[in-house]
Amino acid sequence: EDQVTQSPEALRLQEGESSSLNCSYTVSGLRGLFWYRQDPGKGPEFLFTLYSAGEEKEKERLKATLTKKESFLHITAPKPEDSATYLCAVKNQAGTALIFGKGTTLSVSS
Amino acid sequence: DAMVIQNPRYQVTQFGKPVTLSCSQTLNHNVMYWYQQKSSQAPKLLFHYYDKDFNNEADTPDNFQSRRPNTSFCFLDIRSPGLGDAAMYLCASGTGGFKDYGYTFGSGTRLTVV
Repeated sequence: EDQVTQSPEALRLQEGESSSLNCSYTVSGLRGLFWYRQDPGKGPEFLFTLYSAGEEKEKERLKATLTKKESFLHITAPKPEDSATYLCAVKNQAGTALIFGKGTTLSVSS
Repeated sequence: DAMVIQNPRYQVTQFGKPVTLSCSQTLNHNVMYWYQQKSSQAPKLLFHYYDKDFNNEADTPDNFQSRRPNTSFCFLDIRSPGLGDAAMYLCASGTGGFKDYGYTFGSGTRLTVV
């Protein structure tokens, strides 16, 4: 069964304190791994798609990396506006839909 | 801007009273999805349409139905809402291609059942 596990469930950082979020997955033929940001009471906002091991993508203070078993979302020098829940999802060879993890809720204080 | 729009943002319905949630997209995407998200849980796929083809997830209750009258619009019908159906309902659209560059989600409809 395809599965996505995110850790930690919650993370508190001081402004400027860099850290990483983890997404481990088991999937029957990875077609893509997706990162989304979700603010309270809103729909997920697309951040990145990664397709193969070794691939990296960056956007402002965020950098996503992918191995054969997991993905990391690195947050460099976070700011309070980076506070949100970060969702990881995968798509397998057979399906057209995303399978989500429960997310990591990030809180950044000034 | 091209986007996915859900209406209403908040919906309160009575136990057992049918309710319909609406979603429209201006992206001309082939695929539209409905997800259910309960507090602190992962979004759970209910069903999706690939063009006019309806695809139901095996564990989606019969109480949930969907309609897609045209490319732009998709509706979620809950025939007899129970207290356990209170959740955020998320609509998304995608191209459905092999390299799907990430779905676009709407802002969601928060459903409360009283």
